Order: sequence, then structure tokens, then C-alpha cells
Amino acid sequence: AQSVTQLDSQVPVFEEAPVELRCNYSSSVSVYLFWYVQYPNQGLQLLLKYLSGSTLVKGINGFEAEFNKSQTSFHLRKPSVHISDTAEYFCAVSEPAAGNKLTFGGGTRVLVKP
Amino acid sequence: EAQVTQNPRYLITVTGKKLTVTCSQNMNHEYMSWYRQDPGLGLRQIYYSMNVEVTDKGDVPEGYKVSRKEKRNFPLILESPSPNQTSLYFCASSPTRLRNEQFFGPGTRLTVL
Repeated sequence: AQSVTQLDSQVPVFEEAPVELRCNYSSSVSVYLFWYVQYPNQGLQLLLKYLSGSTLVKGINGFEAEFNKSQTSFHLRKPSVHISDTAEYFCAVSEPAAGNKLTFGGGTRVLVKP
Repeated sequence: EAQVTQNPRYLITVTGKKLTVTCSQNMNHEYMSWYRQDPGLGLRQIYYSMNVEVTDKGDVPEGYKVSRKEKRNFPLILESPSPNQTSLYFCASSPTRLRNEQFFGPGTRLTVL
């Protein structure tokens, strides 16, 4: 069964500094990978996704993630954060053979400080 | 505007009082799903539906029921709510079961006293 681990539950970061959110997954088969963002008091929005092809995926709001199959990781990065990036970020995995079932990590809360 | 709507957004109730949380999507999606979000646990799937009249259990279905009589609607029913069902609930939909990201509703915050 697939599972997702987000290694950091909270990440404080200063404005304009870089940030990396770590995500590792376990699965014995090919997977699709996603990062979602949840702004305060809102639902989840898709940031980016990896289905196939280039392992470096660019998403909205300047975020990017790199798929590393050998390390079963899909870390999210942004070179310079803004106050508006304060949110909770969820990594998720789905197995094509299991349809569209998404398995989420526990979430990483990012707090951007001025 | 393409969207998933949920009602109510906030609900406080008491143990044992039946309630229904509605979910509706206007994108003609076949696949719909309910999740609950709890601190540190991320989102866990409660039930899902691949199409009208086709529903199945997710990872945490105990204490919940669903129905899919129409393509656009997927209500979540708590026949006898208990305090451990206090949580933030999200409905989601997607166009097919494969390869597509899910679109999420705004969430329903439920408190069971």
C-alpha cells in the first residue's frame, strides 16, 4: 500500500528566503505525485503534479518540485518566499493501477516571517 | 464558474443527532470523494464514488454513509455523530478515475459535542 511521509510538520522561514518541503513516499509500483496548498480557511488547491516525463516539475506561484525515483522523494522548493506563501502544504501520491485514490501526507505548515 | 460547493461550511451539533453535509459539483465529473482532515494526519478518504449509484469505502468509512443518486451531488451522512467525528471535511471531484487531479470544495468544519 502506498504511503506518504512529510518530514517536517512546521517550517518557519523569513520572507525572500528559500524554502524546501520534504516528501517521501512508499510504493512498489509507478505513481503520480502531487503537491497541494491550503491557505487559511480555504480548501486545497493543486500546486503542481508529476505524471511522467521530466523529473523537474514547475507549478504555480514560483514553486517547483523534483521527482527522484531512486530516493522515492518529491521535494517542493521555492527560491524566494512571500508572506502570502504562508499556508499548509500537502504532498499526495496516487497509483494509476488503483484509479484516482489520493493518499496524502500529514502536511507541512509554512509560516513566512517578515 | 467551475466549482465544488459544500453546505454547511460550519456546523456544531450534539452526539447522536443525524446530519447531512451536501456536496455538489458543476463540472460533470464522474468521480467524487469525501475526505476528513485532522491535524498531523493529512486528509483521509472516507468514501468515494466512481459514478451514479456506484460508491465504495475509503480508508475511514466507519460512522458515515453516502449516496450518489445524481451525477452532480454526493452527500455525506452521519446517522449518529460522535465526538471523534469532529473534523474538517472536504468533498472533491475529478473528470475520470485516472490521471487527473481532484478539485476540492471549501470544506465543512464539524464539531460534535
